[in-house]
Amino acid sequence: ETGVTQTPRHLVMGMTNKKSLKCEQHLGHNAMYWYKQSAKKPLELMFVYSLEERVENNSVPSRFSPECPNSSHLFLHLHTLQPEDSALYLCASSLGDRGSGANVLTFGAGSRLTVL
Amino acid sequence: GQNIDQPTEMTATEGAIVQINCTYQTSGFNGLFWYQQHAGEAPTFLSYNVLDGLEEKGRFSSFLSRSKGYSYLLLKELQMKDSASYLCAVIDSNYQLIWGAGTKLIIKP
Repeated sequence: ETGVTQTPRHLVMGMTNKKSLKCEQHLGHNAMYWYKQSAKKPLELMFVYSLEERVENNSVPSRFSPECPNSSHLFLHLHTLQPEDSALYLCASSLGDRGSGANVLTFGAGSRLTVL
Repeated sequence: GQNIDQPTEMTATEGAIVQINCTYQTSGFNGLFWYQQHAGEAPTFLSYNVLDGLEEKGRFSSFLSRSKGYSYLLLKELQMKDSASYLCAVIDSNYQLIWGAGTKLIIKP
């Protein structure tokens, strides 16, 4: 257990479904992130929230919609996904949102998404 | 563009030593991380280097040369549980993390 919990761990959905991924941390961190991890590719930063405000959106398709209701919870709402969206989606948190040795990322174990 | 290069896969023997290299070309440099990720698990923090030299933590050490744009992670007395992927990430001039694709390390008995 890292202190960052993601649910569900596995999700299979059709291209017309709507589903959500959930992330929860109780580490007292102020920044939360969504990353996409595909085989043999670098982690792709999708969204960053700092103190519940979105500070980064790296040209992610609108079929991915983040929500951060408070500093402990982060959601990724999914709708009309494509098969190429199949990947491991990692949530992370850190004390602040600026890359530094003081803001080490703590990751969850990820949600493995398969789009049929 | 910004780029982090790591070998895709390495194999080593239990009890031996292995060195995983990471070279980077980024717009600026403000530090470098190494993370370990076991299959199906969360990446976990191993080390952080911002100054040149070697940082030792038990069986694991991390080295940085800023002038060469180069780092390595050294694992000694390898154990089967060290089988994992090792991710290198650099903090660029905008304090953003740039990630490598990771190195899958396979330990054989």
